Amino acid sequence: DVVMTQSPLSLPVTLGQPASISCRSSQSLVHGDGNTYLNWFQQRPGQSPRRLIYKVSNRDSGVPDRFSGSGSGTDFTLKISRVEAEDVGVYYCMQGIHWPWTFGQGTKVEIK
Amino acid sequence: QVHLVESGGGMVQPGGSLRLSCAASGFTFNTYAMHWVRQAPGKGLEWVAFTRYDGSNKYYADSVKGRFTISRDNSKNTLYLQMNSLRAEDTAVYYCAKDASHSLDYWGQGTLVTVSS
Repeated sequence: DVVMTQSPLSLPVTLGQPASISCRSSQSLVHGDGNTYLNWFQQRPGQSPRRLIYKVSNRDSGVPDRFSGSGSGTDFTLKISRVEAEDVGVYYCMQGIHWPWTFGQGTKVEIK
Repeated sequence: QVHLVESGGGMVQPGGSLRLSCAASGFTFNTYAMHWVRQAPGKGLEWVAFTRYDGSNKYYADSVKGRFTISRDNSKNTLYLQMNSLRAEDTAVYYCAKDASHSLDYWGQGTLVTVSS
């Protein structure tokens, strides 16, 4: 199985400051069609997961532009340019190219 | 808008069975693949199962293979997860999620399954 490794697992951030989460995959996530299928999800406390980013860097409708995704191959990053209170929660990366699909362990973002 | 509503969760003894349902609306159900994903209490997300839009192709996590069966009834816009030989480690919130070409774009609110004697 493809192992998705996130770091850090806990991320205390000051409001208004940037935050960055790393996700590394044990195999390339580049599909034969040329796309890279790496997704980012946000799970706020007590809520279902919500997709933020797909295909590395494409933001979902309604996702604030302070969220951005980048990376290639096996190394990916989710950045929040200025953390707001509503960003508290757990963030997961997920690969959708190799069966079984796999998630990272999750990164808990909290306000300092 | 897309709406996914899971049901069927509850408490069951080890070795028992349960069938989860996911009622879908707001999109053309019979043209989309669907998934089940679970989350044990206080833990991360684990992908469980996939079915193609027509049910012709299915994949499972090794942890549930041979015990769980994913199926769908396109005439009822409903996804199912039949869970047999349940174990304590199957205790989790089970989410259904809509496929979006190598991604999951919509999730339900989840249904809790507790396996305990």
